[in-house]
Amino acid sequence: DGGITQSPKYLFRKEGQNVTLSCEQNLNHDAMYWYRQDPGQGLRLIYYSQIVNDFQKGDIAEGYSVSREKKESFPLTVTSAQKNPTAFYLCASSFGTGTYEQYFGPGTRLTVT
Amino acid sequence: GNSVTQMEGPVTLSEEAFLTINCTYTATGYPSLFWYVQYPGEGLQLLLKATKADDKGSNKGFEATYRKETTSFHLEKGSVQVSDSAVYFCALSGSYNQGGKLIFGQGTELSVKP
Repeated sequence: DGGITQSPKYLFRKEGQNVTLSCEQNLNHDAMYWYRQDPGQGLRLIYYSQIVNDFQKGDIAEGYSVSREKKESFPLTVTSAQKNPTAFYLCASSFGTGTYEQYFGPGTRLTVT
Repeated sequence: GNSVTQMEGPVTLSEEAFLTINCTYTATGYPSLFWYVQYPGEGLQLLLKATKADDKGSNKGFEATYRKETTSFHLEKGSVQVSDSAVYFCALSGSYNQGGKLIFGQGTELSVKP
C-alpha cells in the first residue's frame, strides 16, 4: 500500500530536549511538507522541500530544522529553541508544488512538559 | 499572494439536513481548488478538487463547483450523516511567488446530530 507514515503517533518530551519526528512516503513524490496544527486552528507551514537536498522555510520555521537526504524521508527536528512545541504535527507530500494535491500522514501529537 | 476564506464554525446540523460550507478565494492566474476533511485525531484526506473554472468536483455525496465569476468553491451535500462530523478545509494552489504551495483556510467544524 502506498502512503505516508509518521511515527510515533504520540510523543512526550521534557522541556529543553530536541526531538525528531519521522515522516516517510512511498508514493514517489518529489515534494514534502511539514505543518503544525494547534487545537481548533488551521494548518501552518513549517518547512517544505521540492527536491532531495533542498528545502525552504515556511511561515513558522523558527525553532525547527529539517533534512532531505532521501526522496522518501523528511524528518523534522523540534529544537529547544521552539517556545511552544506542544502541537499536532502533520507531514504531507505531493508530486510537485503548484496545482498538485497533497497527501497527508496520520500526524504526530507532541507534548512537551 | 493567493488566499482563501471559509465560513467559521462550528456548524451543527441534524442528520439528513442539507450542508453548505462557504469558501471564497483571491488569486492571480488560475489556481486549482481543493476540499480536505479531517476526522478527530487524524491527518487530512483529500475530499475533492477542481482544476479549472466551471469544473465540479464530487466525492462521497459532496460536491463543489469552481466559480471564477464569484471566486467561490462552496462545499455542498444534500443529506448529511453523523459520520460526516469532521473539520473541513478549503485550499487553493499558491501563486508562483508563494512557491506554489497549497494555501489552506482555517477549517470549518461540522457536527451532525442524530
